[in-house]
Parts: sequence; structure tokens; C-alpha cells
Amino acid sequence: DQQVKQNSPSLSVQEGRISILNCDYTNSMFDYFLWYKKYPAEGPTFLISISSIKDKNEDGRFTVFLNKSAKHLSLHIVPSQPGDSAVYFCAASSNFGNEKLTFGTGTRLTIIP
Amino acid sequence: DAGVIQSPRHEVTEMGQEVTLRCKPISGHNSLFWYRQTMMRGLELLIYFNNNVPIDDSGMPEDRFSAKMPNASFSTLKIQPSEPRDSAVYFCASRKGTLSNQPQHFGDGTRLSIL
Repeated sequence: DQQVKQNSPSLSVQEGRISILNCDYTNSMFDYFLWYKKYPAEGPTFLISISSIKDKNEDGRFTVFLNKSAKHLSLHIVPSQPGDSAVYFCAASSNFGNEKLTFGTGTRLTIIP
Repeated sequence: DAGVIQSPRHEVTEMGQEVTLRCKPISGHNSLFWYRQTMMRGLELLIYFNNNVPIDDSGMPEDRFSAKMPNASFSTLKIQPSEPRDSAVYFCASRKGTLSNQPQHFGDGTRLSIL
């Protein structure tokens, strides 16, 4: 069963506009969430994270929002740049005796110049 | 600083052969993870080690898969015998410390093709 779901396999956004990537989870024990970015032929790279005690975390052009009641998080990229074209993975973990990350299946973001 | 180093980058072999994937984690990192990426299932955790000790191998598909970490700077993932359904990209990642709220750093992966 997929405990972390990214229901949009792909997304295209015009350069300069906002990109919004979504992620849903089912396990209420998850208390830490991360976004990773992956270019072809490279490993995933950590982008931004958020703890369940917060509902927003911002780092430059990247903001992650967490809605615990809806078990939903989103990554906002604004403004979108061509270099943002990549696959984005959402991941979640719990510290209650379980230290591993559970990843979503990824969303391929294409920024159109 | 050197990142996580995986070898080989690509491996093509025939069904039934033994395959060994190698990983050198970032120096000073305490945790090491092996993942498999496929189109259908995305990134799946196979096994992870804390301080060279296997902690959770529940993701290892079957007995054909084994992983070792003989010291803090080296780990192997072995498949014997290999099957076509093992074809995937295998990633190794390391993390400083053992808490999940610290990011994992990934290698560039080994693309494995079993014919």
C-alpha cells in the first residue's frame, strides 16, 4: 500500500509562474516530511523539509505547506525557472521507533521557457 | 567534499549471474540506506544500517538479495541469482546521525539490467 502518494505523475508550468506539487499521506504517525529533487542519471537531492509541529517552511523560492488534518502537503516554487525541471519526490518518516523514509512515486515537473 | 559514491554506474548481465553493487558513504555519516527505483513502485527502501549494523531489512525482496556493511566506509548489495525483474536503478544514501529529521544524501545510482 502506498502510504505516500503523489497523484500527478507530471506537471508543466510556464517559466516565471508558480509551480505547485502535491503529496498526500495515509499514516498518521508520520511527523517529518521532506521533498527531494532528481535530475536524470543523478541521485535525489534534498530540497526542503517540514516538521509536523509547523504548517509552513520557506527557503528562498521554495515553500512547503503542511495540512495535518487533511494529511496533505504541497511544495510551491515561485518563480519557476527552467533549472527546476526535474522529478520531485515527497517523503515522510516517523520517529516512533521507525527511522526510515517512505517515498512517493514522484512528479515530473517541466518548466516551459 | 566527496558525496556518496556508487559503483558500477551501469551493469548489464545475464539472468542467473551474481551481481554486486558497491557504495562508499560520506565520511562521518552513521546511517546507510539501499533503495531500488522502478517505474511501478518508485523509490523503495531495501535495507538500512546504523553504525554498520543492519536495522531494518524488511524491504529486501527475497533471499536472493543480501547486504553487508563490513565497516563505516563501505557497503555492498548482492543479488544471487539475478532475475530480469531485478532490473532497476539501485541507490545508496547516507545520513549523518540516526534521526530521520536529518536529510539523506544519495549517490548517483547503479542502473542494473538483467537480460
